[in-house]
Order: sequence, then C-alpha cells, then structure tokens
Amino acid sequence: QQPVQSPQAVILREGEDAVINCSSSKALYSVHWYRQKHGEAPVFLMILLKGGEQKGHEKISASFNEKKQQSSLYLTASQLSYSGTYFCGTEIYGGATNKLIFGTGTLLAVQP
Amino acid sequence: DTGVSQDPRHKITKRGQNVTFRCDPISEHNRLYWYRQTLGQGPEFLTYFQNEAQLEKSRLLSDRFSAERPKGSFSTLEIQRTEQGDSAMYLCASSAPGTGGYGNTIYFGEGSWLTVV
Repeated sequence: QQPVQSPQAVILREGEDAVINCSSSKALYSVHWYRQKHGEAPVFLMILLKGGEQKGHEKISASFNEKKQQSSLYLTASQLSYSGTYFCGTEIYGGATNKLIFGTGTLLAVQP
Repeated sequence: DTGVSQDPRHKITKRGQNVTFRCDPISEHNRLYWYRQTLGQGPEFLTYFQNEAQLEKSRLLSDRFSAERPKGSFSTLEIQRTEQGDSAMYLCASSAPGTGGYGNTIYFGEGSWLTVV
C-alpha cells in the first residue's frame, strides 16, 4: 500500500526547478505533501483532493492524476530553504478517512 | 493556537524498561494519530483515535505497545519491555473534524526520539 516516490534524491542549485512524483497502487481520495528537515516534524505543504480541489501553500504547486493514481509536486526557482525530505501521504479511496499512508520520501538538497 | 506538543522530546532507556510518551493535540482537534519513523523512512502509521475511541491499530503495533486517549484530549503511547528495534522517532499528529471526512489537514508534533541501549 505504501506509495512510491521518485526520484529518491535530487541535488539542485538555487533557482533551479524540481519535480517529485508519488505513485500509488490504490485508488486515492487525496494526496497530502509534507516537507521534513532533519530531526524535525513533517510540515504540511498542501492537499490535493479527488475532484480537483487544492488546499495549501501559494508558492508550491502540485497536480493529482486520479486515473493514474499519481501526484507530482513542482518546486520552481528553488531556494536553500526548500532543502529537506519530501513525503507524500495518501488517503486511500474507500479506506479510513484522514488516515495517511506515507511514501518512501525524496531527499532534496539545494546548493548555493 | 499552539501546535501539537509531545513530551519528552528525547528518551534514552535500557532494553527491557518501559517508556511512555505524551501527546497534546491542537485544541478542538478530535482526531489524534501516532506514527513511527526510522532514519531514512517515511512515517509509519501505528494507531489513531477519534475523541477517546481508538479506531484502528496497525499490525506493526505489537502487544508491547498500548495507546490511550482517556478523555479525548491528550494521548499516551506506552512501550513495555523495550527492545533495540523500538528505537525510532514517535510522531503524534492531530486533525480537526471536517466536512465529508476526507482531506483534512493533519498537523504533526516535533516527535519523541527513543533510543534503546
């Protein structure tokens, strides 16, 4: 049930763009994106819901392809503060509400 | 509005000892979750509550683990007879009731690090 994220790790220079993908084997109701810095709690970024609604950060964009059971997080003009590990959390369609199954994580390092 | 609070933040214990972690969710959040995270992995679901009712326990949660939320506010996670494999960060999270059930924002606390030596 655990969603698979790709790439596992990415290194960027400031100002470059990155795309992080999250793919599930199950039909999804929503995808939640979090960023976690080393030794800290995951911080909520945004939610993408079945049907197209989005809630979250103004400066971060994402997409949710319900048919393909995939979501992508787009980080544009990256800043040093974007460094961390990004996790997608999925709510499985027909499953328990608000119970998130987290992906494998993508480590993002932004260098000056 | 304070965030999710966890205590203690760090705990070192000897194998075989019992440990207890406390979580105070965001005020008026009726859902409370416990996750476990090891280095390099995503958070793994352990259990969750709606008010005081424990709705689900993961198969990862052995008999040595027990969680309670007696009055529907704070929660405790107890690990009995700790083993080295229990070393991890234990994350608590909470969410507010929303319409439709799905898609509510879940907020995490800063975690409780457990090291079993």
